[in-house]
Amino acid sequence: DAGVTQSPTHLIKTRGQQVTLRCSPKSGHDTVSWYQQALGQGPQFIFQYYEEEERQRGNFPDRFSGHQFPNYSSELNVNALLLGDSALYLCASSPQRVGNTIYFGEGSWLTVV
Amino acid sequence: TQLLEQSPQFLSIQEGENLTVYCNSSSVFSSLQWYRQEPGEGPVLLVTVVTGGEVKKLKRLTFQFGDARKDSSLHITAAQPGDTGLYLCAGDVVNNNDMRFGAGTRLTVKP
Repeated sequence: DAGVTQSPTHLIKTRGQQVTLRCSPKSGHDTVSWYQQALGQGPQFIFQYYEEEERQRGNFPDRFSGHQFPNYSSELNVNALLLGDSALYLCASSPQRVGNTIYFGEGSWLTVV
Repeated sequence: TQLLEQSPQFLSIQEGENLTVYCNSSSVFSSLQWYRQEPGEGPVLLVTVVTGGEVKKLKRLTFQFGDARKDSSLHITAAQPGDTGLYLCAGDVVNNNDMRFGAGTRLTVKP
């Protein structure tokens, strides 16, 4: 049973560019959440997707957008990248919208130069 | 400000010592989870506590959920170098739909 998988694992982008990160949830999970974790910090909630809709959003600008597909996989898009967007982006899945157990992927390391 | 405040932020101890880290909030949580994260990896779930006053043990780790479901503690007995890592608490606020994290306690256990 595959856990949460994310791609790519590492990438480098230039300021102003756009990036798309991908996530496949754990089998049987229908809810996907995205987090940004800066070096030395705890994960910060970006948003959550359920039934292909954004259900909850943290304090992130509109440059951060996402999508969930019918197979529950998800994408995180960030436009007009800033140096401060450099971070580990974590995807987490759970079997219901308000799950008390969420499982994380290994993350995607984004470096903006 | 963080919804969940973790303390201490950093902790460096010798192998064999005991330690306690804390996770506090003014909000009430439906459940609270503790994770351990190693550099370059995603957080790994250690435990979930749901009931106020609940105590769970995982080998040398003891987790407690406060009676009011606003705070939690993690106690490690006889720490080992393999316990080194970032310990994160996370909770889902009652009537909310997402999990929020503390900033973490970075533990270093020296041999």
